[in-house]
Amino acid sequence: DAGVIQSPRHEVTEMGQEVTLRCKPISGHNSLFWYRQTMMRGLELLIYFNNNVPIDDSGMPEDRFSAKMPNASFSTLKIQPSEPRDSAVYFCASRSQETQYFGPGTRLLVL
Amino acid sequence: AQSVAQPEDQVNVAEGNPLTVKCTYSVSGNPYLFWYVQYPNRGLQFLLKYITGDNLVKGSYGFEAEFNKSQTSFHLKKPSALVSDSALYFCAVSERTSNTGKLIFGQGTTLQVKP
Repeated sequence: DAGVIQSPRHEVTEMGQEVTLRCKPISGHNSLFWYRQTMMRGLELLIYFNNNVPIDDSGMPEDRFSAKMPNASFSTLKIQPSEPRDSAVYFCASRSQETQYFGPGTRLLVL
Repeated sequence: AQSVAQPEDQVNVAEGNPLTVKCTYSVSGNPYLFWYVQYPNRGLQFLLKYITGDNLVKGSYGFEAEFNKSQTSFHLKKPSALVSDSALYFCAVSERTSNTGKLIFGQGTTLQVKP
């Protein structure tokens, strides 16, 4: 198995632009999690899905952030409009039984 | 409130010496316990977990962790450290009674192994 796949691996954009991050979970995993990692705040859970349904989005910082999971093999995290304070590494993870497996992350820089 | 504490921001050890990275938790019930490792510019990699059974859990790369229920701790250990073990280590817990699989992470401990 290729593991959790995220794209792009790096994204540089300008303030105000829309950013879309993509995630393909491990096949057969029915839970998906989006995290953000920064030096200041560490690792933060943004949102998670069970069976493609959003369960808890209380970690989403504000309305500029949205996430979807249209099917079991694909999820997106969108930021519109982006701001410099959104610069971070965004991780996707999928879960099998008790264990979450993380993707390599998308390093986002908003100028 | 549920929480995970990693009391040391950084642990320094010499190569070949044993290492311990500490973790304590405050979670209701009997949680699942995990350790993850993050190498520079990489995602978190699963190292090991405690679900039930033997309190000493063995994982990847020669790491092990000891679950201590009375002290609510789950310290990560390795008998002989390698320079390549230098990385950021996260302890995490999830509630056994919840089916969400939501993890609560510690703030991370940087392990520096010197030759």
